[in-house]
Amino acid sequence: EDQVTQSPEALRLQEGESSSLNCSYTVSGLRGLFWYRQDPGKGPEFLFTLYSAGEEKEKERLKATLTKKESFLHITAPKPEDSATYLCAVVSGANSKLTFGKGITLSVRP
Amino acid sequence: KAGVTQTPRYLIKTRGQQVTLSCSPISGHRSVSWYQQTPGQGLQFLFEYFSETQRNKGNFPGRFSGRQFSNSRSEMNVSTLELGDSALYLCASSLDGGAQETQYFGPGTRLLVL
Repeated sequence: EDQVTQSPEALRLQEGESSSLNCSYTVSGLRGLFWYRQDPGKGPEFLFTLYSAGEEKEKERLKATLTKKESFLHITAPKPEDSATYLCAVVSGANSKLTFGKGITLSVRP
Repeated sequence: KAGVTQTPRYLIKTRGQQVTLSCSPISGHRSVSWYQQTPGQGLQFLFEYFSETQRNKGNFPGRFSGRQFSNSRSEMNVSTLELGDSALYLCASSLDGGAQETQYFGPGTRLLVL
């Protein structure tokens, strides 16, 4: 069974203080690793998909990387509007079922 | 392009009742998946529909069921509601439900069971 563990559970940063969020996974045949952002009371918003070890993707202050065992979401010089819960999910095998981690709640103070 | 829409946004029910939730996917998307989100368990997969057929199912009791219509809209039904069914129910759509396709989520339906 696929397993996803995210750490830390919560992270408080000062505006401009860069950091990384971790997503460790155990799957049989990774087809894709997805990062989503979720604001309170809303559905998850898609950020990135990574397909193979060594792949990297960037969007504004966010950069996602992937190894054979984990993925990192690097946040460079975060702003208060980056405050949200960041979810990591994996897909394995032939079906499209997403297996999610519990999420990391990021709070960025001005 | 309009995103995934879900109705209603909020529901309050009592134990033993049943409830039906609705999801309209992004135009052109034929796969619809449902997820349950709770503070304790996080996001958990319920089932996926494609071309009006359930293609994949998660580990939930038979009280949870769904269907998909020819226009790809989907409904989810929960019968004999229990207190533990209180959750945010999320619907996600993708083009064909391929393993590597991005799933786009709706805003969710928040269900409270009293």
